[in-house]
Amino acid sequence: QKEVEQDPGPLSVPEGAIVSLNCTYSNSAFQYFMWYRQYSRKGPELLMYTYSSGNKEDGRFTAQVDKSSKYISLFIRDSQPSDSATYLCAMIAPSNSGYALNFGKGTSLLVTP
Amino acid sequence: DVKVTQSSRYLVKRTGEKVFLECVQDMDHENMFWYRQDPGLGLRLIYFSYDVKMKEKGDIPEGYSVSREKKERFSLILESASTNQTSMYLCASSSGGGNTEAFFGQGTRLTVV
Repeated sequence: QKEVEQDPGPLSVPEGAIVSLNCTYSNSAFQYFMWYRQYSRKGPELLMYTYSSGNKEDGRFTAQVDKSSKYISLFIRDSQPSDSATYLCAMIAPSNSGYALNFGKGTSLLVTP
Repeated sequence: DVKVTQSSRYLVKRTGEKVFLECVQDMDHENMFWYRQDPGLGLRLIYFSYDVKMKEKGDIPEGYSVSREKKERFSLILESASTNQTSMYLCASSSGGGNTEAFFGQGTRLTVV
């Protein structure tokens, strides 16, 4: 079983909709939780980063972490066509030998005008 | 602006060839990573390095090796390229702590024929 599970979609929503993206994980050692956005033919870029359980807001984006359920979410309000991309959750379990990111498979999102 | 540069965007190699993928970062980051990205499988960690001359195996190291002789450069080597190594290869770097962003290069699309 992969340590980080994410529904690959694709997810198609109309412009203005609220989007909910989710990941579950099995490794209790994960401490840092991130969402990356990847546009076609580009490398991933960090969108949101959280450390503790709870919510973190940045403009139209809200990242939510529930460590007790091993569940993280990304909400996008008032979605725009420019939000169309693949969204990857990523997690880090710090160790003496570094901080490698463990990724979900990514969810492909299409926001239609 | 952090920059992670991969030497090639597109590469076509023959089966059995030795292939070198080069990655250079300009932010003095301790950690460097090599991932491959495949449809339906997401980003999978091949190798990472947390210091010069140090390396750790990721989830799928078989058929690959790495070299980090200088802090800014992390090379991925395919000793004898095979068709199942056709993929998008992404290099990333991050600073020492886990609570920092990983920056990705643009990726190298490798095709082995």
